[in-house]
Amino acid sequence: QVQLQESGPGLVKASETLSLTCSVSGASFNFYYWTWVRQPPGKGLQWIGHINYSGRTNYSPSLKSQVIISIDTSKNQFSLKLTSVTAADTAVYYCVRSSHDFVSGRYSYIMDVWGRGTTVAVSS
Amino acid sequence: SSELTQPPSVSVSPGQTAIITCSGDKLGDQYVSWYQRRPGQSPLLVIYQDTKRPSGIPERFSGSNSGNTATLTISGTQALDEADYYCQAWDTNTYVVFGGGTTLTVL
Repeated sequence: QVQLQESGPGLVKASETLSLTCSVSGASFNFYYWTWVRQPPGKGLQWIGHINYSGRTNYSPSLKSQVIISIDTSKNQFSLKLTSVTAADTAVYYCVRSSHDFVSGRYSYIMDVWGRGTTVAVSS
Repeated sequence: SSELTQPPSVSVSPGQTAIITCSGDKLGDQYVSWYQRRPGQSPLLVIYQDTKRPSGIPERFSGSNSGNTATLTISGTQALDEADYYCQAWDTNTYVVFGGGTTLTVL
């Protein structure tokens, strides 16, 4: 059974760097994308970015200047760093296993296994 | 499909059919996934590639996608289906885009 678990500080000071790690069990890193999604209070889901097993990344254009996602397959972990945080970065952060394919002429992106989520608050 | 629009809320009586729409420019050109988020829980994939159900998702959940609109249909809606539902698609400019979410209320 595939399980993902987020870990990291629940409180970060404004202008500092938010760092989270996702520990993966029961799954190979190959063939999947490893994704971060967040949900600010009272708002919808927001895709942050993803990384594949070889370290190839894509980031949301709206967050690209702040985000670094990295992977350590030897530890079965991938990580998120979000720099220069503000109150707008307060959210529940989820790590997710994703599949991305081109099937029958159309792109498919499927987020099939989610971590429980971790709440991060940014304090001034 | 860089922006996906969902109705903020949908209400349905138990046993009836709930229909949640997701609209975006040429949305039918990409596959759509749907996620259910119950309060206090992580999102759960309920439909992928427009019409497919993951293992363990009840048959009462179905989906379609054509033109500019994707639809999630819940037949015989139950109280436990009360949740927020999000559509999601791939966009060549913004990569992954979510709809704003629809709160389903089972009255």
